[in-house]
Amino acid sequence: DAKTTQPPSMDCAEGRAANLPCNHSTISGNEYVYWYRQIHSQGPQYIIHGLKNNETNEMASLIITEDRKSSTLILPHATLRDTAVYYCIVRHILTGGGNKLTFGTGTQLKVEL
Amino acid sequence: EAQVTQNPRYLITVTGKKLTVTCSQNMNHEYMSWYRQDPGLGLRQIYYSMNVEVTDKGDVPEGYKVSRKEKRNFPLILESPSPNQTSLYFCASINTGDTEAFFGQGTRLTVV
Repeated sequence: DAKTTQPPSMDCAEGRAANLPCNHSTISGNEYVYWYRQIHSQGPQYIIHGLKNNETNEMASLIITEDRKSSTLILPHATLRDTAVYYCIVRHILTGGGNKLTFGTGTQLKVEL
Repeated sequence: EAQVTQNPRYLITVTGKKLTVTCSQNMNHEYMSWYRQDPGLGLRQIYYSMNVEVTDKGDVPEGYKVSRKEKRNFPLILESPSPNQTSLYFCASINTGDTEAFFGQGTRLTVV
């Protein structure tokens, strides 16, 4: 499985953009990059995913480098409710079509006034 | 509403007393899995199932069993719990080819 590396923690001022980096230098050509977040000890929540192209949805944007070895999750206007642990995950497709999500230790994002 | 339901949410038990944590999903997903979360270690996969009667070990399967007799249910069984299985457990489901995994709200287990 491709491993991911994220900084353990980041701070962001409310209203500013939060840019969360992720390194996945061993990613394979058919593996997607997913981002989830976990607020307190709740179940992880899906944010966004991508393969090669940059992606945007109502929650965030995902920027993937051309060589696919790293990516950045952007929360354009962070709020206090965005304080959470953010996980960058490489989605490994198992033999037979199954899915495996390999979680790292994530980045604790703290949004402050 | 699409959801994954785990029960119980909290459980305190004694060493050696068999227990089962249930997981049910209402989305007809084929793939289900169990994770445990410990401080500093993130989420680690225990077991997964790609369909009814098809299960396989994840990264930390020791001390756990699972079954998948029906598509919607994927219980986690601890035959003889030990204190090192004290953890926060999550069940997840995802459909083959889908983009989003759905997680349950977690079960906090304490084994004394």
